[in-house]
Amino acid sequence: EVQLVESGGGLVQPGGSLRLSCEASGFTFSMFWMTWVRQAPGKGLEWVANINQDGSAKNYVDSVKGRITISRDNARNSLYLQMNNLRDDDTARYYCARDDSRRGGSGWLDAFDIWGRGTVVTVSS
Amino acid sequence: AIQMTQSPSSLSASVGDTVTITCRASQVIRNDLGWYRQRPGKAPELLIYGAFSLQSEVPSRFSGSGSGTDFTLTISSLQPEDFATYYCLQDYNYPRTFGQGTKVEIK
Repeated sequence: EVQLVESGGGLVQPGGSLRLSCEASGFTFSMFWMTWVRQAPGKGLEWVANINQDGSAKNYVDSVKGRITISRDNARNSLYLQMNNLRDDDTARYYCARDDSRRGGSGWLDAFDIWGRGTVVTVSS
Repeated sequence: AIQMTQSPSSLSASVGDTVTITCRASQVIRNDLGWYRQRPGKAPELLIYGAFSLQSEVPSRFSGSGSGTDFTLTISSLQPEDFATYYCLQDYNYPRTFGQGTKVEIK
């Protein structure tokens, strides 16, 4: 079965750190871009970061740059999100998603076709 | 960052109705747009990519259209599982940005 399972969430104080993991199974993990998306309680979706197949390309939303790092270990079929200097507004459910990029007329199109159930991060004193 | 604005923010409809949700980008994004459905308490699901391409195994009652800055998701013959929140997502450039969501509620 193709699936993604996130872990590592929890309660952390402002300024603290947390490392989220996303374990993939049922597909060749090393062939896909991977993405983190988060959702604050009662709010909409926010794209956080993505990483290419070999980890050489990474992109981030401005609000997390310098504090959050995306990485992957293809040998372990795992995606990570190292979160440092956490703030109250980082409180959210964090989803990992597979990007099954599709060829379009003008280039590649994102297609987040597989999602995990998410892991909850709460930043609070 | 490109701003994505969805309308309406919410709507009420009945099973069997046809509903239309629109998404407007703050700049031209070609066809680089996806639509996602999120049922309560669940992860999002991909419906449409590239503005109008239906994701595999997604029912044909879902359709997408538009290009440039204005896009539409149409759900014909609304089913009980379609009462959910819908999001558009631009993948024209970084950072990717979602619309604020449209909640489809039962009338």
